[in-house]
Amino acid sequence: AQSVTQLDSQVPVFEEAPVELRCNYSSSVSVYLFWYVQYPNQGLQLLLKYLSGSTLVESINGFEAEFNKSQTSFHLRKPSVHISDTAEYFCAVTSGNTPLVFGKGTRLSVIA
Amino acid sequence: KAGVTQTPRYLIKTRGQQVTLSCSPISGHRSVSWYQQTPGQGLQFLFEYFSETQRNKGNFPGRFSGRQFSNSRSEMNVSTLELGDSALYLCASSLLGGLNTEAFFGQGTRLTVV
Repeated sequence: AQSVTQLDSQVPVFEEAPVELRCNYSSSVSVYLFWYVQYPNQGLQLLLKYLSGSTLVESINGFEAEFNKSQTSFHLRKPSVHISDTAEYFCAVTSGNTPLVFGKGTRLSVIA
Repeated sequence: KAGVTQTPRYLIKTRGQQVTLSCSPISGHRSVSWYQQTPGQGLQFLFEYFSETQRNKGNFPGRFSGRQFSNSRSEMNVSTLELGDSALYLCASSLLGGLNTEAFFGQGTRLTVV
């Protein structure tokens, strides 16, 4: 079975500052990792995913995440945040033939 | 193309009642998954249906059930509602349900049990 820990439930950050949202996972088998974003009163949207290959994956809106197998982490980063990045972010893991297991989410608040 | 549609968006029910939620996936998608989202527990997987068959099931009591129709539309039913069933119920559809097919989420149905 897999599990996901998002270490920070809330992260406030000033606009144009960098941010890192932390995600650690636990699994006895190989995993595939995802970050989803949820805006207020919306469903989840896929932000980026790691399936194989390069351990650094990027999204179209400037976010990136790096898969670190030795540290069992998949932290999400952005060098400069915008007000529009205010949302809740969920890290998720699967072994491939099991449903996605989500972390409890990190609420990112960008302050003008 | 139209996204995943969940109806109704909001529901208020009384303890002991039952409720049915509906999910219309994106046209052509055959996999539908259901999740319960609460502030305390986060997102928890309920079940997945593929081509009218339940393919995976989460760790929820038998009061939670679902089905999928031939047009891939899915319903989930909760019987004998409890206060703790108050949550946002999210449906996700994908083409095949595998890793390389992205799951698209609906806006959810917010259920309040009083």
